[in-house]
Amino acid sequence: AQSVTQLGSHVSVSEGALVLLRCNYSSSVPPYLFWYVQYPNQGLQLLLKYTTGATLVKGINGFEAEFKKSETSFHLTKPSAHMSDAAEYFCAVSDRPGTASKLTFGTGTRLQVTL
Amino acid sequence: GAVVSQHPSWVICKSGTSVKIECRSLDFQATTMFWYRQFPKQSLMLMATSNEGSKATYEQGVEKDKFLINHASLTLSTLTVTSAHPEDSSFYICSASSPSGNNEQFFGPGTRLTVL
Repeated sequence: AQSVTQLGSHVSVSEGALVLLRCNYSSSVPPYLFWYVQYPNQGLQLLLKYTTGATLVKGINGFEAEFKKSETSFHLTKPSAHMSDAAEYFCAVSDRPGTASKLTFGTGTRLQVTL
Repeated sequence: GAVVSQHPSWVICKSGTSVKIECRSLDFQATTMFWYRQFPKQSLMLMATSNEGSKATYEQGVEKDKFLINHASLTLSTLTVTSAHPEDSSFYICSASSPSGNNEQFFGPGTRLTVL
């Protein structure tokens, strides 16, 4: 069985500040990890994913995440927040690399960006 | 990019009635579609996986006779909530994938169902 925990249902940062959204996972097999973003009234959009290889993964819109096996974490970061980053972010885990496989999602973190 | 639409975006119905939600892949052929349910402040929970032309595979605890899924074409899947009750009120989200799209799931905007 796999599970995902996202610490902090709401995160607020100032524009230009570092964004850090936390994700910890539990998996009995090597995990494949994903971050999705959901803007209001829109579907989930894939930000980035870790399958194998380099543990630091770069995604769209300046986001990146680092897979740390020892900490069972896959935290999402962005050096400088922009107002347009305000959205809901979901971390997900799968036991297979393709996102067409079954995904287990975290509860989501709502990011607020203030002036 | 790949676009998935859902219709309706929201629906209110009386208890005991059935509601059909459509999920369409607009610019690609979706060999696999997924249906999720999301309660407020909770995770997206996978309900079922459907492949075009075959019966859907339901997750444990999901009643297949209550949540009817039809994936009759490569661009359309429907979810019918039969004899809906207030506890079925939720946000239903579909996603679609295609092998040609690196197996990425493309998500619809969701349908808000409220059962009175």
